[in-house]
Amino acid sequence: SAVISQKPSRDICQRGTSLTIQCQVDSQVTMMFWYRQQPGQSLTLIATANQGSEATYESGFVIDKFPISRPNLTFSTLTVSNMSPEDSSIYLCSVSPGQGANEQFFGPGTRLTVL
Amino acid sequence: EDKVVQSPLSLVVHEGDTVTLNCSYEVTNFRSLLWYKQEKKAPTFLFMLTSSGIEKKSGRLSSILDKKELSSILNITATQTGDSAIYLCAVYGSGTYKYIFGTGTRLKVLA
Repeated sequence: SAVISQKPSRDICQRGTSLTIQCQVDSQVTMMFWYRQQPGQSLTLIATANQGSEATYESGFVIDKFPISRPNLTFSTLTVSNMSPEDSSIYLCSVSPGQGANEQFFGPGTRLTVL
Repeated sequence: EDKVVQSPLSLVVHEGDTVTLNCSYEVTNFRSLLWYKQEKKAPTFLFMLTSSGIEKKSGRLSSILDKKELSSILNITATQTGDSAIYLCAVYGSGTYKYIFGTGTRLKVLA
């Protein structure tokens, strides 16, 4: 399977600031996704990162708060904007070889703490 | 509303024990089920199941899907302390066109 890296691994940020998380894959992949895992909770899909076009957001997530870029088939970024303590979570990117019900493989995650 | 429920929520066993973890689901037009092991941050892919009754096996871990019962089990035999983790299942249905994750089973294996 593809090797996925994320930067930063962890960060502590102040309320009102923004953080951009990068996800890099060592081979071209069709699908890239961004998930959030709040403390003690399971994974929730934020959006599907579409190459060359706007991301597809899930209910409850909006582009102004979580802008996503995917300039090519190996790279994506997620920005968490105007952060509040409620944004403290693990953010994970995942990749899949195709659309639909395929395997998904996760990156190492970014642990974000907002003070 | 699609949902995935895992049981038990947590489990403490001793090394050498065998454990069975359960994942039950209610999704529209089931397509596949994934099992993951999560230590620290990143979930590690274990199995993908799409057909009933076909066991997937990897070392001491095995899993099987029962579409009639809308569930799957993950078995771990001869547990080791390194098996301590949260085990997640995720189910894909073509009603939502995405994976829905359960809240996980937290397994602790004592030496």
